[in-house]
Amino acid sequence: KAGVTQTPRYLIKTRGQQVTLSCSPISGHRSVSWYQQTPGQGLQFLFEYFSETQRNKGNFPGRFSGRQFSNSRSEMNVSTLELGDSALYLCASSSRTGNGYEQYFGPGTRLTVT
Amino acid sequence: AQTVTQSQPEMSVQEAETVTLSCTYDTSESDYYLFWYKQPPSRQMILVIRQEAYKQQNATENRFSVNFQKAAKSFSLKISDSQLGDAAMYFCAYRSARSGGSNYKLTFGKGTLLTVNP
Repeated sequence: KAGVTQTPRYLIKTRGQQVTLSCSPISGHRSVSWYQQTPGQGLQFLFEYFSETQRNKGNFPGRFSGRQFSNSRSEMNVSTLELGDSALYLCASSSRTGNGYEQYFGPGTRLTVT
Repeated sequence: AQTVTQSQPEMSVQEAETVTLSCTYDTSESDYYLFWYKQPPSRQMILVIRQEAYKQQNATENRFSVNFQKAAKSFSLKISDSQLGDAAMYFCAYRSARSGGSNYKLTFGKGTLLTVNP
């Protein structure tokens, strides 16, 4: 069974631009979560989607948004990029049940903002 | 809000020896899940072991075992017979067992960087 995939793996953007990251969960998983990882702040929760609905959102500005499609694939978007948005963005999917507690991570997208 | 603390930013161990990584957490909940994740230099986060708070028995996965002390809110990871491939950043994580939107997330510690010396 294929794992969680994320595209692109690496991205370089300029301040003020916007970016869209994609995540495909493990087949059959309906929950997708996003995390931001930086050396200073560590791993921070961004948001979680289940069956195309956002169930939880972390403490990030409105420039960070996401969505989930009917096939459970998810995208996150960051508008008006700032230097501080440079990070590894990790996507994780959870098991078939709505309350599945094990999260499986993708390889991440490394975003660099210049 | 729950917090997870890993007090050892770095640890080192000799190959074939045993090492214990520490994790403490703070929560007012009685039912929750605890995890250890491993993130090697390639950056793929891998689930190492999980523990359900309602289970008194400590979880074990091959060379990896935990010491779960619920009253002390402590959750340490023991790696036996350490191998070069165990070198990675290890994260301790907490998840509420409650249903409801605000609970569907992992709260991570800052991580412990484990070096394995040959």
